[in-house]
Amino acid sequence: DIQMTQSPSSLSASVGDRVTITCQASQDISNYLNWYQQKPGKAPKLLIYDASNLETGVPSRFSGSGSGTDFTFTISSLQPEDIATYYCQQYDKEFTFGPGTKVDIK
Amino acid sequence: QVQLQESGPGLVKPSETLSLTCTVSGGSISSYYWSWIRQPPGKGLEWIGYIYYSGSTNYNPSLKSRVTISVDTSKNQFSLKLSSVTAADTAVYYCARGGKRQTQWGQGTLVTVSS
Repeated sequence: DIQMTQSPSSLSASVGDRVTITCQASQDISNYLNWYQQKPGKAPKLLIYDASNLETGVPSRFSGSGSGTDFTFTISSLQPEDIATYYCQQYDKEFTFGPGTKVDIK
Repeated sequence: QVQLQESGPGLVKPSETLSLTCTVSGGSISSYYWSWIRQPPGKGLEWIGYIYYSGSTNYNPSLKSRVTISVDTSKNQFSLKLSSVTAADTAVYYCARGGKRQTQWGQGTLVTVSS
């Protein structure tokens, strides 16, 4: 099984801040990684696929990078509507989600 | 824009079989992969499995012995059956379009396992 870890588990930042979340896989997954945003009471929404590709319609303040075992998700300028939990997901072997990072506004 | 809607009982007794259906509207179920994902209350996401419109499937190894996903292209629906449920199967169940990445999701339906 491929295990995914994320850090931090939660963070609080100010509007306009740069926010970075890391995701680590237990083994090499190449670039087979997606990032999702889940707002309270809602279904997840795909933001980034194949580690660094922005899904159509997603604001450009969201970005992703990395390959192998270490990945980064960045919000370049945090907005109030970005309050959510963010999950990474590997799809190299079956599918595994990370435990999530809860982002709120300071 | 394709829309997905889960339907099925909200309460299932322990040891029984959980059955859910996802109805796809605004587009054809053909030529895509279709997934089921669940989320226990207050917890993270767990992939259950996916099916291609042709019927080929891939399941989470930890659930494989209890899961069946099927598709009915004539009704533009796909379904989930999870047998021998316990309280640990209580979760919001989501259907979604996509295999390697889930691009459209249903709103989710809460299924509680309790006697």
